[in-house]
Parts: sequence; structure tokens; C-alpha cells
Amino acid sequence: EIVLTQSPATLSLSPGERATLSCRASQSVSRSLAWYQQRRGQTPRLLIYDASKRATGIPPRFSGSGSGTDFTLTISSLEPEDFAVYYCQPRNSWRGTFGQGTKVEI
Amino acid sequence: QVQLVESGGGVVQPGRSLRLSCAASGFTFTRFAMHWVRQAPGKGLEWVAVISYDGSHVYYPDSVTGRFTISRDNSKNTLYLQMDSLRPEDTAVYYCARDGGQVAADAFDVWGPGTPVTVSS
Repeated sequence: EIVLTQSPATLSLSPGERATLSCRASQSVSRSLAWYQQRRGQTPRLLIYDASKRATGIPPRFSGSGSGTDFTLTISSLEPEDFAVYYCQPRNSWRGTFGQGTKVEI
Repeated sequence: QVQLVESGGGVVQPGRSLRLSCAASGFTFTRFAMHWVRQAPGKGLEWVAVISYDGSHVYYPDSVTGRFTISRDNSKNTLYLQMDSLRPEDTAVYYCARDGGQVAADAFDVWGPGTPVTVSS
């Protein structure tokens, strides 16, 4: 079973700053990795799939990169609505294990 | 529009059973694998189960294997999760989610609003 490690656990930033979130897998998942955003009290929503492709309606300030075991989600300039928890998830198998999440807070 | 709506959550005693449903609309249900995901209070997302588009393949994590059963009725566009031998640690909001892949696994591109389950005496 693939183990995911997200870092940092919490990221304290201000609006307008750049956020860089990391996700490391215990074995290669090629580029089969997704990122999700969950705002407080809301349902998770898909941000990025296939490591770098933005889902429908996701603004260009969100970008994903990486392959193999190391992946990054970058938010180029934080908007107030971007303060949330972000999860990564490998999609190289039908099992859907998530990382433990990174909280982006003000 | 594309939509998933869960139902069936509630308060149940430890050791008892509960069945959740997820009604799908706005897309061809029979083409997609479907998942259940849960989130305990204040915790992260935990994947619970997946079922292939035709119901022929199912997978679970160790935490629910032998207690939970995922199924689907493609004639009713409905996904189910039968939860038996419930434990307090099963307390969570349960989401159903669509797997965007049809031939191979892909990201969870549609989510329901969730239904809460509380296991307590």
C-alpha cells in the first residue's frame, strides 16, 4: 500500500503570498496524482489531476507539478478563499488513499 | 446538472447496522466507478470503498474489510454502503464520489454533500 506524506502540516501565510505544498509517495505513482481542496465546512473539490492538469473551473493560480514520488501544489498568489485544507491522492490504482492534508491558514 | 446526493445517515448504537444510499443524476451512472469516502470530526479524508462501473470489482481498506459492503443498482442510478458491526470510530461524514476514470482509475471529480453517521450508545 502506498503511503503519502504531505508537508508541511500547516502553512501560515498572508493573502497575496505564494503557497508551496508538498506530497511524497512511498513508491512511484508516475503522474497519477490528484489534489483536492476542502474549505471549512464544505465538501472536498478536485483541483488538479494527472499531477498538473487543472480541473474544470479551477483558476490558473493553482498549479501542480512532479512525477514519480515527489509532487508539488503551488498557489501563486493566495486569495482569501484559498485558506483551506489540501489533500493529495495517488490514482494509479482503484484504491483511493489520501494524504493527511496540509492546512493553509492566515 | 451532474449531482450526487447521499442519504441514510443517523445515530446508531455500536454493533448495529446502517445502509447509506447515494443517488446519482445528470450523467451516465453505468460508465463510472464509484467510491465512498469518510471524514471523522476534525480529521482528514479516509477512503472507504470502491466499486467498478458494473459492480464486478470492489475494494476496501483494512479498517472496514469484512464489515462494510459497497454495491450499486445501475437500474436506479444508486450507490449503496452497507455498514455492519459499527464501531464508535466509524463516526464520520460519509461522502460518495465519482471516479472520473472509466477504463482506469482517475481523480474523484464529483462529490456529494455527505451524510453524517454517529455511532454511540
